[in-house]
Amino acid sequence: DAKTTQPTSMDCAEGRAANLPCNHSTISGNEYVYWYRQIHSQGPQYIIHGLKNNETNEMASLIITEDRKSSTLILPHATLRDTAVYYCIVRVYNQAGTALIFGKGTTLSVSS
Amino acid sequence: DAGVIQSPRHEVTEMGQEVTLRCKPISGHDYLFWYRQTMMRGLELLIYFNNNVPIDDSGMPEDRFSAKMPNASFSTLKIQPSEPRDSAVYFCASSLGYPHEQFFGPGTRLTVL
Repeated sequence: DAKTTQPTSMDCAEGRAANLPCNHSTISGNEYVYWYRQIHSQGPQYIIHGLKNNETNEMASLIITEDRKSSTLILPHATLRDTAVYYCIVRVYNQAGTALIFGKGTTLSVSS
Repeated sequence: DAGVIQSPRHEVTEMGQEVTLRCKPISGHDYLFWYRQTMMRGLELLIYFNNNVPIDDSGMPEDRFSAKMPNASFSTLKIQPSEPRDSAVYFCASSLGYPHEQFFGPGTRLTVL
């Protein structure tokens, strides 16, 4: 079973920041938080990952709380092309046998 | 780079027929994953390989499913005999090492009538 809890759906206006929350209250000290997204009819796409510190790349920012029990994915300026299902996943890095377990994810709808 | 290539993109077959799905991973990647996605169960990992060797096949639903990776650039997922409940989108993904980023193919949409 997925070890994360995400809202089923969220809406965001184009050009505004999209903040997608994720709860992972049972996360272990050696587990990373990953975010993937799946645009309709395509394969999932990696977005970002983090362990303790906040992370930023060209796609998004990841904010992890100090107790690591929750995190937020931030898309700073959402566009219509960001409409997708966003998956928050926790997994131990580099441990054979620990695969990505995709939950239901959050369906983000970006509208103009 | 062409990315992960899957064929066919769509497959329609009748119950009882054998189905073979194909995957070409990104050149140089040493891990290959097969996933299945349905509305009811979401995205599930079926099996993954490391250096062409199956590492974990605990997600394979039953003996009707089999997967092979004869070389580093090719893998197949076979269903024999196929059943209507096998209808799903099957994704192949590859990665270098066991890192954070898996690269997914476009998927094969399988319909079993």
